Amino acid sequence: DGGITQSPKYLFRKEGQNVTLSCEQNLNHDAMYWYRQDPGQGLRLIYYSQIVNDFQKGDIAEGYSVSREKKESFPLTVTSAQKNPTAFYLCASSAVLSGTDTQYFGPGTRLTVL
Amino acid sequence: KQEVTQIPAALSVPEGENLVLNCSFTDSAIYNLQWFRQDPGKGLTSLLLIQSSQREQTSGRLNASLDKSSGRSTLYIAASQPGDSATYLCAGEIQGAQKLVFGQGTRLTINP
Repeated sequence: DGGITQSPKYLFRKEGQNVTLSCEQNLNHDAMYWYRQDPGQGLRLIYYSQIVNDFQKGDIAEGYSVSREKKESFPLTVTSAQKNPTAFYLCASSAVLSGTDTQYFGPGTRLTVL
Repeated sequence: KQEVTQIPAALSVPEGENLVLNCSFTDSAIYNLQWFRQDPGKGLTSLLLIQSSQREQTSGRLNASLDKSSGRSTLYIAASQPGDSATYLCAGEIQGAQKLVFGQGTRLTINP
């Protein structure tokens, strides 16, 4: 089956810890995205990548980092510098970096800070 | 800064009704527009994509339209069913921005 997988589904972090969220796609898409969703709000863009070894900050990149060493993988690290990390994190991909292409989403990771 | 408003925030209707969800942008320079569905605790599923050269798209009981002059889009759902219950989000691409701006969603409940 083609699609996007995210792991883990639930993640708990103690204050001061860095955690990494996994995102893998087998759709052969060039572009990948990370979004954050808070209750009752729309999605906000954290980082996006147009191609391997390239990524750009989105609207709320502070306290987050990413890497894009492989086309199919785009992990997100939530660092201790992110002061309010509790949220639902969604990874997406599209064939190219353009609004003309449908974005496909993973099932999400819910991060809770203890 | 582009902002997206979806009205209403929540809607509850009996099964079988036709309904309209609204989406408006503060900056009317929308290039492409997508409507998504999100079930509780899940990711988003794309429903319809209206590209810059188009004014509407249809898929089954769903029809989405985009009025670029006013920066407004509507999603029409015909003959609603309980399985349509979900949150519906619109997202637009500002020309040249190469990224989507999302609304906060409309939470739809269809009562049997």
